[in-house]
Amino acid sequence: DADVTQTPRNRITKTGKRIMLECSQTKGHDRMYWYRQDPGLGLRLIYYSFDVKDINKGEISDGYSVSRQAQAKFSLSLESAIPNQTALYFCATSDSDLSYEQYFGPGTRLTVT
Amino acid sequence: AQSVAQPEDQVNVAEGNPLTVKCTYSVSGNPYLFWYVQYPNRGLQFLLKYITGDNLVKGSYGFEAEFNKSQTSFHLKKPSALVSDSALYFCAVRFPLPGAGSYQLTFGKGTKLSVIP
Repeated sequence: DADVTQTPRNRITKTGKRIMLECSQTKGHDRMYWYRQDPGLGLRLIYYSFDVKDINKGEISDGYSVSRQAQAKFSLSLESAIPNQTALYFCATSDSDLSYEQYFGPGTRLTVT
Repeated sequence: AQSVAQPEDQVNVAEGNPLTVKCTYSVSGNPYLFWYVQYPNRGLQFLLKYITGDNLVKGSYGFEAEFNKSQTSFHLKKPSALVSDSALYFCAVRFPLPGAGSYQLTFGKGTKLSVIP
């Protein structure tokens, strides 16, 4: 089984709808991250969480919110989706500052029409 | 300002030839540098990292990277390219998180590598 899973893998939604993307990990890591990937822009950090009680905004948090339900679960919500939120979304985990390696989920392709 | 750059959007190389994917950086202090690979419809996979020590770092799938402090570069290399190496490659650098006393990874925009049979 994959260490970092994301659901759904693909989603098409309409402008104005609320949508939640979910991430689960079995690596036992404290740190979790949400990124979006756009062609030519690389990965940009949306939110990150160092433990269940610690959630922080990243580079591009406007229009997004997150919830860390447990050490293993980190959800990303779009309260009112807009077309420029169409992107590939990745969840990632890491264990500490010592290694800095991040482990990525397979991604969720979101299309907002 | 701290940054990471991949100057080439795409690199084409013939199978069996050596490949290089370029990365330059600008950071305060000692750089912590990474390479990740993304295959189609997959998440990013860690290839290798440089934190300290030898300037030539060896990683997964036969890849290596050379840290050059004077040129502020961390180019990814492989002596003999395979068609299966075709993918999107990202360079990343450790970047301090504002006010958090910790760090994040900041990624370059990616370089698409195509290995031609």
